[in-house]
Amino acid sequence: QQQVKQSPQSLIVQKGGISIINCAYENTAFDYFPWYQQFPGKGPALLIAIRPDVSEKKEGRFTISFNKSAKQFSLHIMDSQPGDSATYFCAASGQAGTALIFGKGTTLSVSS
Amino acid sequence: DTAVSQTPKYLVTQMGNDKSIKCEQNLGHDTMYWYKQDSKKFLKIMFSYNNKELIINETVPNRFSPKSPDKAHLNLHINSLELGDSAVYFCASSQSTGGLGYTFGSGTRLTVV
Repeated sequence: QQQVKQSPQSLIVQKGGISIINCAYENTAFDYFPWYQQFPGKGPALLIAIRPDVSEKKEGRFTISFNKSAKQFSLHIMDSQPGDSATYFCAASGQAGTALIFGKGTTLSVSS
Repeated sequence: DTAVSQTPKYLVTQMGNDKSIKCEQNLGHDTMYWYKQDSKKFLKIMFSYNNKELIINETVPNRFSPKSPDKAHLNLHINSLELGDSAVYFCASSQSTGGLGYTFGSGTRLTVV
């Protein structure tokens, strides 16, 4: 049973465009929702994270939107750049003693 | 200074062999993890240790055995390697359990031939 569902699997965006990646979760005990960015040959790196007590968090060009009632959250990348081309993972975790559960990833390609 | 370092970066071995992957973190974190990333890039938790104590042990074949000699190190030993074990294995650490503030290593690409 996949606890965090991520879409789309791949995404192509023009330079300067907006990239949007969506995730949905099932477990209402989840209370921490990070996004990770992974470049080829590297480990995932934390990009931005949100708690369910806020509906939006912005850091630079990256914004998380969170809808608790729908159990959905999304990553928006504004003014997408070729350097943003990577695989993006949403994740979720709950109480202490648990580990991050990851979505299946989205491969983003930003064309110049 | 590398925060979470794994060795080796690449490992090619024959079926049936036994191999180990080492992980060390210099962040002072209490919790360490092993994740497996398959060919479709799916990241799946395998094990987690908190202060040298095993706290998460997912449904992983018992050919996989983690060992944590101290809270800065978490090694993964794999017995009787199979073709299906080919994947990238990531070590990660965090200050506490619950998923916050993971730092990942750069991964070990294991190829079983």
